[in-house]
Amino acid sequence: DGGITQSPKYLFRKEGQNVTLSCEQNLNHDAMYWYRQDPGQGLRLIYYSQIVNDFQKGDIAEGYSVSREKKESFPLTVTSAQKNPTAFYLCASSTRSGPQHFGDGTRLSIL
Amino acid sequence: DQQVKQNSPSLSVQEGRISILNCDYTNSMFDYFLWYKKYPAEGPTFLISISSIKDKNEDGRFTVFLNKSAKHLSLHIVPSQPGDSAVYFCAASAANFGNEKLTFGTGTRLTIIP
Repeated sequence: DGGITQSPKYLFRKEGQNVTLSCEQNLNHDAMYWYRQDPGQGLRLIYYSQIVNDFQKGDIAEGYSVSREKKESFPLTVTSAQKNPTAFYLCASSTRSGPQHFGDGTRLSIL
Repeated sequence: DQQVKQNSPSLSVQEGRISILNCDYTNSMFDYFLWYKKYPAEGPTFLISISSIKDKNEDGRFTVFLNKSAKHLSLHIVPSQPGDSAVYFCAASAANFGNEKLTFGTGTRLTIIP
């Protein structure tokens, strides 16, 4: 089945630790994205990548980092510099002109 | 600065009736609009989209209407079914940003009453 896989579904980390969220897609999509959702708010764009080895900052990139070494993978690292990392993180992918399709998300909680 | 607004946080509709979800935007550069549906603890699912060259797009029970002069779009679901109970997000993008920069509204929780 084609789709977007985010793992793990729930993630707990201690304050001050970096943590990496996984996103894999087998849809052969060129573009991939990371969003953050907070309660009562819409999705906000963290980073996006249109092609391998290239990515751009979104609206709230501070405290996050990404890499795009393979077309199918776009991991997101939440660093200790991110002041409020507890949130629901969503990964998406798309063709160049099509709508974005989302994974089921990772809920990150900082203890 | 909320460029895409969904002013109704929640909406309840009787099963079989029409559900109308509304969305307003402020950025006149937006020219592509999408609706997503989201269940709890899942990612949003793409429903339907519309380009600014059209004022209506239909897909089965779902119809999106765009009023460019009013900077307003709406999603009509008819007839409403219990499985339609979810949070609905509208999103918008501008051609000069490409497909990458979607701006989302805050969502409307739709509850279908059996």
